Amino acid sequence: DADVTQTPRNRITKTGKRIMLECSQTKGHDRMYWYRQDPGLGLQLIYYSFDVKDINKGEISDGYSVSRQAQAKFSLSLESAIPNQTALYFCATSDSREPTDTQYFGPGTRLTVL
Amino acid sequence: GENVEQHPSTLSVQEGDSAVIKCTYSDSASNYFPWYKQELGKRPQLIIDIRSNVGEKKDQRIAVTLNKTAKHFSLHITETQPEDSAVYFCAAGGNNRLAFGKGNQVVVIP
Repeated sequence: DADVTQTPRNRITKTGKRIMLECSQTKGHDRMYWYRQDPGLGLQLIYYSFDVKDINKGEISDGYSVSRQAQAKFSLSLESAIPNQTALYFCATSDSREPTDTQYFGPGTRLTVL
Repeated sequence: GENVEQHPSTLSVQEGDSAVIKCTYSDSASNYFPWYKQELGKRPQLIIDIRSNVGEKKDQRIAVTLNKTAKHFSLHITETQPEDSAVYFCAAGGNNRLAFGKGNQVVVIP
């Protein structure tokens, strides 16, 4: 879905570095999410935000932090990256006004921590 | 919280046959059950969904059935084609929060 974009698309970094992954959306949705995908483990929720002033931890928030700079922007930070944070990261959005809880995903960021 | 399990983890079918993937969930309060398809290197995309007040929904070759009593729901793909080869994720939840299963790799053999 071109309405949800993520930058960068690929990133290789070293252990201990601070990394920020960014997500932007033009769908006008109020809710945004960050997921991590590892082979065989599906999609695990890291953080979610129901509006600019609302930030909530997901199932695997340790080692991550987020910032909701505006309704359209939601950033994920790794303060000190470690190798087991190597994964594919997806941002998603949803609209609380819709009758269903459909989430729309961005294209993903592949992060490698050496 | 919600726990979603998918079976089988890998499914191989001959082209033209049907494929069925089943998911179970734990939270009886869940009221929304989407299925996502993820092709290699791409983002998950919604292919069909169902709400708890409906038992079955169909869209061309795909259908989803829901059994609230048993807390399971299934994806049915009929007349499978090579382009159906992908990883399929089920999810369960509501109030704009979803728990995802680990995914099923479906391979359609030409």
